[in-house]
Amino acid sequence: NAGVMQNPRHLVRRRGQEARLRCSPMKGHSHVYWYRQLPEEGLKFMVYLQKENIIDESGMPKERFSAEFPKEGPSILRIQQVVRGDSAAYFCASSLGGTVYNEQFFGPGTRLTVL
Amino acid sequence: KNEVEQSPQNLTAQEGEFITINCSYSVGISALHWLQQHPGGGIVSLFMLSSGKKKHGRLIATINIQEKHSSLHITASHPRDSAVYICAVSHTGNQFYFGTGTSLTVIP
Repeated sequence: NAGVMQNPRHLVRRRGQEARLRCSPMKGHSHVYWYRQLPEEGLKFMVYLQKENIIDESGMPKERFSAEFPKEGPSILRIQQVVRGDSAAYFCASSLGGTVYNEQFFGPGTRLTVL
Repeated sequence: KNEVEQSPQNLTAQEGEFITINCSYSVGISALHWLQQHPGGGIVSLFMLSSGKKKHGRLIATINIQEKHSSLHITASHPRDSAVYICAVSHTGNQFYFGTGTSLTVIP
């Protein structure tokens, strides 16, 4: 049973380009969370999604960032017109259920570097 | 002020030592999690607890809800325990608040 998968593991973009980060949850999991870890900082919650629904996006920057979790396929975190400050590690996690008592399983992360 | 504070920020120990990492939080929580992040960056969930104490191998996690405090203990530490240990709390909904982590180095 594969764990949470993220790709790419490393992504380099120039300022102004778009970045697309993918997350495939564990088999049977329908809840996905995205977190960002800026250099020398702790993890920060970004968004929580269920299939086809955004449940909580209170941690998402208001502009340029969007997330989706379609009925088929992986969850996508999309960053438009990237800036140097977007350079960070982006982790996704998945859980079986949607309550805070469900353990979250983390992916290996995508390290985004903006030149 | 962060919702979750960890101490110490950095910790160096000799192999075999007993290690304690502390976590204090300021919000009402539904559950507290201890995570381990290895130098390669991957994150593993070690414990999720909402009361009392849990043990897994050489790792022990305790929580005191009244005092809003949790500790992670490592007995008989080993160099492979070297990692960043992160405390996270589930508040309302499904949002996590994370501490900034404790970087542990265990020297042979």
